[in-house]
Amino acid sequence: AQRVTQPEKLLSVFKGAPVELKCNYSYSGSPELFWYVQYSRQRLQLLLRHISRESIKGFTADLNKGETSFHLKKPFAQEEDSAMYYCALLHGSSNTGKLIFGQGTTLQVKP
Amino acid sequence: NAGVTQTPKFRVLKTGQSMTLLCAQDMNHEYMYWYRQDPGMGLRLIHYSVGEGTTAKGEVPDGYNVSRLKKQNFLLGLESAAPSQTSVYFCASRPHSGTSGSHNEQFFGPGTRLTVL
Repeated sequence: AQRVTQPEKLLSVFKGAPVELKCNYSYSGSPELFWYVQYSRQRLQLLLRHISRESIKGFTADLNKGETSFHLKKPFAQEEDSAMYYCALLHGSSNTGKLIFGQGTTLQVKP
Repeated sequence: NAGVTQTPKFRVLKTGQSMTLLCAQDMNHEYMYWYRQDPGMGLRLIHYSVGEGTTAKGEVPDGYNVSRLKKQNFLLGLESAAPSQTSVYFCASRPHSGTSGSHNEQFFGPGTRLTVL
């Protein structure tokens, strides 16, 4: 079965410290993975997708098929990065577009 | 261009009452989804639709029904609300897989906070 695991409910760091939000997935096929972010009182929005290999707001995420991971990283956290982060895997079944979400990690960046 | 909108924003129900949540999108998207968000559980898919007139069950469909009579609207119904349905409900939409530039991204509404007493 396809599954996404985010082992940390809460990650608390100080401003300027490096951040790594962990995401592991379970899928036998070729995965398509995303990170979504939800700032306080706002809707979920796409942060980045592994296919694009982009860096958004200083965040990057590399797909590691050997470790089945897609960890989100930022070298220097900012207070405005405080939010809920969700890792998501595109469901492999035919053209439903369904996403499987992890449990979410709350990132708290302290001043 | 309003994107994805949800009505209402907040609602309090008593056990056994019924209600309908409305999701509307103005992006001409084919696919629409209803999720619930609960602490420690992430987002779980309730029902989804891959086109007007079609719906399918997601991961947690029990106690909910949906309808997609118009392409732009996706309704989520609770026939007899239970306290276990207290949650934040999110609607999302996305274009068909073959749409140029779609990149499989889902676009989310602002959410509906529902409390069942």
